[in-house]
Amino acid sequence: DTAVSQTPKYLVTQMGNDKSIKCEQNLGHDTMYWYKQDSKKFLKIMFSYNNKELIINETVPNRFSPKSPDKAHLNLHINSLELGDSAVYFCASSPPRAETQYFGPGTRLLVL
Amino acid sequence: GNSVTQMEGPVTLSEEAFLTINCTYTATGYPSLFWYVQYPGEGLQLLLKATKADDKGSNKGFEATYRKETTSFHLEKGSVQVSDSAVYFCALSVPGGYSTLTFGKGTMLLVSP
Repeated sequence: DTAVSQTPKYLVTQMGNDKSIKCEQNLGHDTMYWYKQDSKKFLKIMFSYNNKELIINETVPNRFSPKSPDKAHLNLHINSLELGDSAVYFCASSPPRAETQYFGPGTRLLVL
Repeated sequence: GNSVTQMEGPVTLSEEAFLTINCTYTATGYPSLFWYVQYPGEGLQLLLKATKADDKGSNKGFEATYRKETTSFHLEKGSVQVSDSAVYFCALSVPGGYSTLTFGKGTMLLVSP
């Protein structure tokens, strides 16, 4: 009965590979987010979707492409992975226009 | 723009000590303020929030008061436990439209027995 779930929890891959991270929420929320947390724990918003529509797209390389097949899912696909992409990626969700966000457990990505 | 500044960590305390983690903000509107906590290996959880000036958010013995005059939202706890060891994030959200959270850089708290 996990509210916001992410898969995989850990991802180790080589530079240049393409990988995807999946996120699902069963809270009935309309809005979903992707955040990146760097090695110093700094959190930065990457994308936000509302009801499958992209509403926030921060300055993120276009190697990162979010996809929302339905409002309960927001996946993150990363092409041509680079060393600097190593981080923890968090998915979150919230009710529409609400401020409290609910976070998933994170996906720890290590690019070698 | 919006920004949040937190005291740098780590903050190291003995069990039962008093905790204060400072947080100040700048915002282009009337923000709501939050404290999130991240336990080791886990995602962020909302700890408490306040939506208007002089509101006090509280949860699990933690408190923070929204001070508009000093643009601050300091986190306090009277007696910390080892289980409080975590990273604490101060954040703000400006209402209206599709708001997002702006986080501070996080403060690690280490509590020893």
